[in-house]
Amino acid sequence: EAGVVQSPRYKIIEKKQPVAFWCNPISGHNTLYWYLQNLGQGPELLIRYENEEAVDDSQLPKDRFSAERLKGVDSTLKIQPAELGDSAVYLCASSRLGVGETQYFGPGTRLLVL
Amino acid sequence: DQQVKQNSPSLSVQEGRISILNCDYTNSMFDYFLWYKKYPAEGPTFLISISSIKDKNEDGRFTVFLNKSAKHLSLHIVPSQPGDSAVYFCAATIVGGSQGNLIFGKGTKLSVKP
Repeated sequence: EAGVVQSPRYKIIEKKQPVAFWCNPISGHNTLYWYLQNLGQGPELLIRYENEEAVDDSQLPKDRFSAERLKGVDSTLKIQPAELGDSAVYLCASSRLGVGETQYFGPGTRLLVL
Repeated sequence: DQQVKQNSPSLSVQEGRISILNCDYTNSMFDYFLWYKKYPAEGPTFLISISSIKDKNEDGRFTVFLNKSAKHLSLHIVPSQPGDSAVYFCAATIVGGSQGNLIFGKGTKLSVKP
């Protein structure tokens, strides 16, 4: 069974530029999560989807961050414009439908904003 | 205020000995706990979990103990191997209801020396 796929693995951009990350969850996993991980910290949830519905986006900075999961499978997270403080690892995870299910993580996208 | 705390940023253990990683939580509503292992430049990998109805769960060399009254859990690795060297994250969640997001600690870096 293929794991969670993320691309790109690394991205370097200048501040004020836009950037997008892509995630394809494990087949059959209805719930998809985007996490932000800063250096020396644990992952922090940005947004959670159940199928194509964003059921928790309370931690997503909506002035510059947006996400979509149009067909309930893969998902895109966008930052526009990026700021220096956005430099971090962006992790995608998926699980079967329902809370309490184990989440499986992708390798992450390491973003550096210069 | 951190709801999940891993107070030891690092731990060094000799190969073959026991590794004990600790985690404390403050939210008494948490009822499902997980441990993830993370190697550099990779996403967190699920290791083992425990429900609040249990006080112990074992999987091979890994055992998680839960003390609900103390709001404390620990991960025991016996015997420790050099390949176990990684950052270990403790995470907690509430099964059911509207909240199903994982709350992570900051991680403990385990070094197992040959």
